Amino acid sequence: DTAVSQTPKYLVTQMGNDKSIKCEQNLGHDTMYWYKQDSKKFLKIMFSYNNKELIINETVPNRFSPKSPDKAHLNLHINSLELGDSAVYFCASSQTTRGNSETQYFGPGTRLLVL
Amino acid sequence: RKEVEQDPGPFNVPEGATVAFNCTYSNSASQSFFWYRQDCRKEPKLLMSVYSSGNEDGRFTAQLNRASQYISLLIRDSKLSDSATYLCVVNITPGGSQGNLIFGKGTKLSVKP
Repeated sequence: DTAVSQTPKYLVTQMGNDKSIKCEQNLGHDTMYWYKQDSKKFLKIMFSYNNKELIINETVPNRFSPKSPDKAHLNLHINSLELGDSAVYFCASSQTTRGNSETQYFGPGTRLLVL
Repeated sequence: RKEVEQDPGPFNVPEGATVAFNCTYSNSASQSFFWYRQDCRKEPKLLMSVYSSGNEDGRFTAQLNRASQYISLLIRDSKLSDSATYLCVVNITPGGSQGNLIFGKGTKLSVKP
C-alpha cells in the first residue's frame, strides 16, 4: 500500500520523443508536486497543484505539461525530449491545513534517460 | 548566491562519532525549516522540522538561528544506518503555505565501522 507511487520507475527514450510519467497518492492529500533531481543531485521544484489547481510553476520549459485529473493524481507529460531532461523526477504530496502545507511525502522517483 | 547552501561533504566518520552539519539560507523571509534525509537512489524523507527554540529527536538535534540565517543538525553516537545524504530545506512561501520548498544540495555522511 504505497503512499505515493510513480510509474514508470525507469524510462529510457530517444531525443525528440514524447513521454508521460504518472503519479498517484492514496494519502488523501490535497496538494501534489513534481520535482527534478539532476545529475548533481540538486532537487528543484517544478510544479505544484492544490485541489487540481496549478499554484506553483517554476521556470520550466513549456515542453513540460502537468495534468491533474483529480486530487489523487498528478501526471507529467514531456514533449520533444532533450538530453538535458535526463534526471530523476520525484512526485510528492502534502496536506494543506489552514493555509499551511504539512510534511511532503515523496514517491520513489522516475529515472529518465534521454539518448 | 544560492538560496540554500550546505557543505557537500562527504563526511566520513567512525561509528559512535558526533557529527554536525551546517546550512545557510539567503531569503530572510523564509518561514519554515527542515532536515530531510535521502538514501542512495531513494526518495527524500523528512527527518525533522527545525524550530526557533531548537529541537531534539533522539540522537538528532536541530538548531535555527534566524538572525544569522543558519540551520544546523547534530547527530550523536552515529550508527552505520545514518549513512545518507542530509538535505537542508527551507520554505520561502509567505505564511509557510503551499509548500514551496527550496532544497540544499545535501551533505553526504558515511559512517564506517
